Amino acid sequence: NAGVMQNPRHLVRRRGQEARLRCSPMKGHSHVYWYRQLPEEGLKFMVYLQKENIIDESGMPKERFSAEFPKEGPSILRIQQVVRGDSAAYFCASSPKEGGNYGYTFGSGTRLTVV
Amino acid sequence: KNQVEQSPQSLIILEGKNCTLQCNYTVSPFSNLRWYKQDTGRGPVSLTIMTFSENTKSNGRYTATLDADTKQSSLHITASQLSDSASYICVVLPITSGTYKYIFGTGTRLKVLA
Repeated sequence: NAGVMQNPRHLVRRRGQEARLRCSPMKGHSHVYWYRQLPEEGLKFMVYLQKENIIDESGMPKERFSAEFPKEGPSILRIQQVVRGDSAAYFCASSPKEGGNYGYTFGSGTRLTVV
Repeated sequence: KNQVEQSPQSLIILEGKNCTLQCNYTVSPFSNLRWYKQDTGRGPVSLTIMTFSENTKSNGRYTATLDADTKQSSLHITASQLSDSASYICVVLPITSGTYKYIFGTGTRLKVLA
């Protein structure tokens, strides 16, 4: 079991470009959660998805950010027209059932740098 | 003001020594409180999880305590090892947040020296 896989590990984008972050959950996990960690801050919840459904996107900025978890393939967090303030580490976690009481496992994160 | 505050921000100890990390929270009531270990460049890994009614939980050399009256939790590391060098994060799940909207502290960076 390879755990939660995130790629790329590091991503550099120029201002105005698009960033696509991928998260493959653990085998058997159908619940995915995305978090953002700004420098010197704690992780902040962004969005919770199940296969083909966005359950809760209350922590995700309304503009430029979107997330999906298709029937086949990894979950994708997309940031359009990136700005310097988007520079952060983005982590995803997965679980077999809803919530943190059921084998909640984090990936190693994608570090986005906007130049 | 953060709802989960940790102290100290950073700590350096010698290998073999014990240390205690603090977490003060204002989140109340909560479902559970966790301590995570986050190695540099890695995602957080769960060490302990306590419900509001538990006072202590151990995982090997890691022991977490919880005082719901003072809204404090601590993580005690015994006989530290070089591999304990990491950030330790206190995380609280408010009852009003369902099952997944955890509130993360900013962590304590621990460095263990040989």
